[in-house]
Amino acid sequence: SAVISQKPSRDICQRGTSLTIQCQVDSQVTMMFWYRQQPGQSLTLIATANQGSEATYESGFVIDKFPISRPNLTFSTLTVSNMSPEDSSIYLCSVARGFDQPQHFGDGTRLSIL
Amino acid sequence: AQTVTQSQPEMSVQEAETVTLSCTYDTSESDYYLFWYKQPPSRQMILVIRQEAYKQQNATENRFSVNFQKAAKSFSLKISDSQLGDAAMYFCAYRNAGNNRKLIWGLGTSLAVNP
Repeated sequence: SAVISQKPSRDICQRGTSLTIQCQVDSQVTMMFWYRQQPGQSLTLIATANQGSEATYESGFVIDKFPISRPNLTFSTLTVSNMSPEDSSIYLCSVARGFDQPQHFGDGTRLSIL
Repeated sequence: AQTVTQSQPEMSVQEAETVTLSCTYDTSESDYYLFWYKQPPSRQMILVIRQEAYKQQNATENRFSVNFQKAAKSFSLKISDSQLGDAAMYFCAYRNAGNNRKLIWGLGTSLAVNP
C-alpha cells in the first residue's frame, strides 16, 4: 500500500487561530479524504479532496471552516480555521489508489485547542 | 440508510488464544464491501481485512479471518493465536460498491490482549 505522511503529528493551538495539516503520498492516488475522530468516537468524513477543483464536503462541514487543497495526485492540505476547543480531535487523511480500492490512512494529527 | 453496529465495546483475550469480534450491518444494497480496520494507541488506522459482498468465500489474512454471513448481514472478525501487538481498537466499516467516498463506521471494539 502507499506510504502516507501526515504533518504535524500533533499540535497545541490557541483559540481563534488556524492550523494547516499536510498529507503527502509516495505515489499518485485517485482519491484523498479527510476525516475527524473525536475522543472515543469512530471516524466522521469531513470531505473528499478533489484534484484541481473544490472539495466535496459532507453534511455539517463547510469550506470556510475546513478549507482543503489538492494541487496534485500526491498531496493535500486541510486547514482548521478559527479554532475552538470543540475542534480538539484527531484529523486523519486517507487515500485510495482507485475508485474501487480500499482506503488507507495516514498516522493522523492530534490537535488540542486551549 | 446503511448502518454498522458493533455490539461489544470491549473484549479481552489471552495471548495465543482466539477471539471473535462481532459486526452487523444494515443495507438494502446487494453489492458492497466490508472492512475491518485496526487502530492501536499510535492512532494510525490500519486495514486488516476486506470482504466483497459478491464473494461467498470468507476473506483471510494470516491470523485474521472473517465469517461473512450475507443473509444475516453479519461480518465477524476472528483473530487466531492472539499477540500482544493485536491490542487495539477495531472498527468495522461498510461502503457501497461504486461509492468509495462514503465509509460507514461502527463505534469500535477495544481489544485487550493479556499476557
